[in-house]
Amino acid sequence: QKEVEQDPGPLSVPEGAIVSLNCTYSNSAFQYFMWYRQYSRKGPELLMYTYSSGNKEDGRFTAQVDKSSKYISLFIRDSQPSDSATYLCAMPFDDKIIFGKGTRLHILP
Amino acid sequence: GAVVSQHPSWVICKSGTSVKIECRSLDFQATTMFWYRQFPKQSLMLMATSNEGSKATYEQGVEKDKFLINHASLTLSTLTVTSAHPEDSSFYICSANRVVNTEAFFGQGTRLTVV
Repeated sequence: QKEVEQDPGPLSVPEGAIVSLNCTYSNSAFQYFMWYRQYSRKGPELLMYTYSSGNKEDGRFTAQVDKSSKYISLFIRDSQPSDSATYLCAMPFDDKIIFGKGTRLHILP
Repeated sequence: GAVVSQHPSWVICKSGTSVKIECRSLDFQATTMFWYRQFPKQSLMLMATSNEGSKATYEQGVEKDKFLINHASLTLSTLTVTSAHPEDSSFYICSANRVVNTEAFFGQGTRLTVV
């Protein structure tokens, strides 16, 4: 079993819809959880960073962590074409960062 | 915010030459810097972990004599691709942490094309 599982997509949704992106992980020692957005041919950009179970909101983005289920989510409200990108979940551990494979998201105008 | 600058953003070089890529943390001191390689539509592949003043730790399968990493200061790490070949063509990205095992900040990436 891989340490972090993430559906690669692609995920296509109409503009304005709520997007749900998810990751599962196997190591209960993971304490911190991050979401990155990566546009084509660019470096990843940190979107959200959280270390506790529950929800964290920042504008149209909400990060949700359920440590009991080892499941994390990123919700995007009022999705826009500019949200089209690859989204990667990540967990720092043992001096490294474990990344999911990324989900490619397409927002259809 | 934390800014990591990577230079150059793209480079084309002839086979057999060496290319140096710089990664700088502009507004914080980075205890650790990471170097990744990414192929089209694939995830990040960690190449090495770099700590200031010490030798880099390379991931299995990454040739340390091929990919030379120097972390001379808390704000600068360099990756040199030596004797580059067309199969080294890829997207190389660095990242830096302020504190170990916390969020990482990425550079813009460098697209290397070896002809």
